[in-house]
Amino acid sequence: KAGVTQTPRYLIKTRGQQVTLSCSPISGHRSVSWYQQTPGQGLQFLFEYFSETQRNKGNFPGRFSGRQFSNSRSEMNVSTLELGDSALYLCASSPGGANYGYTFGSGTRLTVV
Amino acid sequence: DQQVKQNSPSLSVQEGRISILNCDYTNSMFDYFLWYKKYPAEGPTFLISISSIKDKNEDGRFTVFLNKSAKHLSLHIVPSQPGDSAVYFCAARGLSRDSNYQLIWGAGTKLIIKP
Repeated sequence: KAGVTQTPRYLIKTRGQQVTLSCSPISGHRSVSWYQQTPGQGLQFLFEYFSETQRNKGNFPGRFSGRQFSNSRSEMNVSTLELGDSALYLCASSPGGANYGYTFGSGTRLTVV
Repeated sequence: DQQVKQNSPSLSVQEGRISILNCDYTNSMFDYFLWYKKYPAEGPTFLISISSIKDKNEDGRFTVFLNKSAKHLSLHIVPSQPGDSAVYFCAARGLSRDSNYQLIWGAGTKLIIKP
C-alpha cells in the first residue's frame, strides 16, 4: 500500500510569506501528526489531527496551524515566516491515536530566506 | 523541560562491534518506548519498541533494554553494520493534558559505523 506522501519535497520562501504543506496519510489511517525537525532539536511535535479534529498541540506559536479533511489528508500552514522556521517538516500517520504504529513521510524541507 | 533525553549527539563505532545508544526519561507514567531510525532526506522508520512492563525486547540484531528504576532505555545493535549509520530517535508514549496519547521524542543520536 502507498506510504505517507508529503508535498512539496522542497520549498524556498521569503521572510514574511506564508506557506502550506500537504500530507496524505496511509489509506485507512485517521490520525495525522506534524513534526518540525531542526539540527540538534530532534523532532518537535506541532499538532495531531484525528477525524478532522485537532487532538493534541505542541508548544508552537499561533503562526503554525493545521487542518484535516474528511479523507484524512492534512495541511499545515505557517504564516509570517521567520528565518528560524527553516526546517524539515515531517508528517506521520497512524490508524488512530499516538501509538507505535506511526509511519512517517519523507518530509518537506522548508528554507526561509 | 525535556522529558526524553538523548545526551549523546553522535556516536562512532567500528563495524562488527556493538553499538549502544542511550535514552533517559523523567516521566514515570510513560508506558511505551520506541526507537526510530532516520536516514538523510527520509522520514524516520520504526525500529523496535518495548512496553513498560518488560525489561528487554529483542529483534534480530537489535535489542532494547528498559531500566525503569533508573528511567533509562538503551538500544543495542550487534554486530554493527555500515547500513546502521543513521540518526536514532528514542520516543516515549504518555498522556497529554487532554488525556490523549502522544509521543515525546528525544533529540536523536547520530550513529556512524566505521569500516
